[in-house]
Amino acid sequence: GAGVSQSPSNKVTEKGKDVELRCDPISGHTALYWYRQRLGQGLEFLIYFQGNSAPDKSGLPSDRFSAERTGGSVSTLTIQRTQQEDSAVYLCASSHLVPGELFFGEGSRLTVL
Amino acid sequence: GESVGLHLPTLSVQEGDNSIINCAYSNSASDYFIWYKQESGKGPQFIIDIRSNMDKRQGQRVTVLLNKTVKHLSLQIAATQPGDSAVYFCAENNRNTGGFKTIFGAGTRLFVKA
Repeated sequence: GAGVSQSPSNKVTEKGKDVELRCDPISGHTALYWYRQRLGQGLEFLIYFQGNSAPDKSGLPSDRFSAERTGGSVSTLTIQRTQQEDSAVYLCASSHLVPGELFFGEGSRLTVL
Repeated sequence: GESVGLHLPTLSVQEGDNSIINCAYSNSASDYFIWYKQESGKGPQFIIDIRSNMDKRQGQRVTVLLNKTVKHLSLQIAATQPGDSAVYFCAENNRNTGGFKTIFGAGTRLFVKA
């Protein structure tokens, strides 16, 4: 595809369940980023990947959050034992140049009941 | 922690007028700045960027100004149109993170009145 693709677009889950969010970056983009955006707020940096490596995981809110990237392409963000405060839109972006323009997907909206 | 913030959370302008959206940043090591536009239900979209060795950069109907002395960034939109209604974010990036960690501000919502 031409742009960054994220799935699912919407996810409703019960508190305590695990969720997995997927990001397909633009082909050839070596850098991949995850952000969290709560309703009406800015983008909170979570993690970035340089290839398959994530040198800085300090932005992940807690040890319930983890992310991986395989083959320098698809990335998954996993949230274990979800809490209501995890409800947000999770945005993925990729870039070719660093620093440079980030190309964002449309996000995965997570609602934890 | 370090953050990028905005002076005005909302801005309402008349169609055809010029808009100015302001941003303050706190990290003196930041050397690359970007403005993004986010429409409802979509991901942010790149508008324009500027590096710290410049103080002004122009695009199509947009101009970004950088004042490193007071750590201030602004986005000027000429002849604002209804399609410009959106939330605008400034973002910063610094060499200490290898250029990867782009930090976003809280955002300003722009309303364009017809």
